Amino acid sequence: QVQLQESGPGLVKPSETLSLTCIVSSGSISNHYWSWIRQPPGKGLEWIGYIYYSGTTDYNPSLKTRVTMSVDMSKNQFSLKVSSVTAADTAVYYCARGYGYSWVALDYWGQGALVTVSS
Amino acid sequence: QSALTQPPSASGSPGQSVTISCTGTSSDVGSYKYVSWYQHHPGKAPKLMIYEVSKRPSGVPDRFSGSKSGNTASLTVSGLQAEDEADYYCSSYAGSNIVFGGGTKLTVL
Repeated sequence: QVQLQESGPGLVKPSETLSLTCIVSSGSISNHYWSWIRQPPGKGLEWIGYIYYSGTTDYNPSLKTRVTMSVDMSKNQFSLKVSSVTAADTAVYYCARGYGYSWVALDYWGQGALVTVSS
Repeated sequence: QSALTQPPSASGSPGQSVTISCTGTSSDVGSYKYVSWYQHHPGKAPKLMIYEVSKRPSGVPDRFSGSKSGNTASLTVSGLQAEDEADYYCSSYAGSNIVFGGGTKLTVL
């Protein structure tokens, strides 16, 4: 069974860059789309964007100017960076795998990592 | 405010059926067959229950079914069981973007 695990700092200062990594185990990162989703406290889910194993990306238009995703096939992991963070970026961040050859449905998710933006 | 509208809560007794709605617009739910539903037990990883409106991934019980009419998608859970108690989220393709609902807390009475 494929497993995903988010890792990264739980506290980030305003105006700095949030960085998270998703480690994929018991499965290959090849031939799949990989997404990041977040959930601010008390709110619904928000799709941040995806990266294909080849490096192709697409981001939520509302976050596009601040988001960068990358993939490291040698380590079977992919990463998220969100720049110029504010308190509004405080959320639980999830990584997830696209189902089959799609990126629209997400079949495996990590348990989530809480990132708090505060000075 | 989430892009898709779900009722905050739903409930039913064991063995009963419950339906959760997910209302979007002609820019998302109404225009595409790419509606998904996720089950989320707090503290655990969300689980894909339905994709492409009504398809079930392998391993998902056939008690879970999905449908769509116009701008509204629905998830029906039949034969409710205690383990079905969880948060349920819908999502839809919205043209180079995915939008989610705010979630519905399903309580098994």
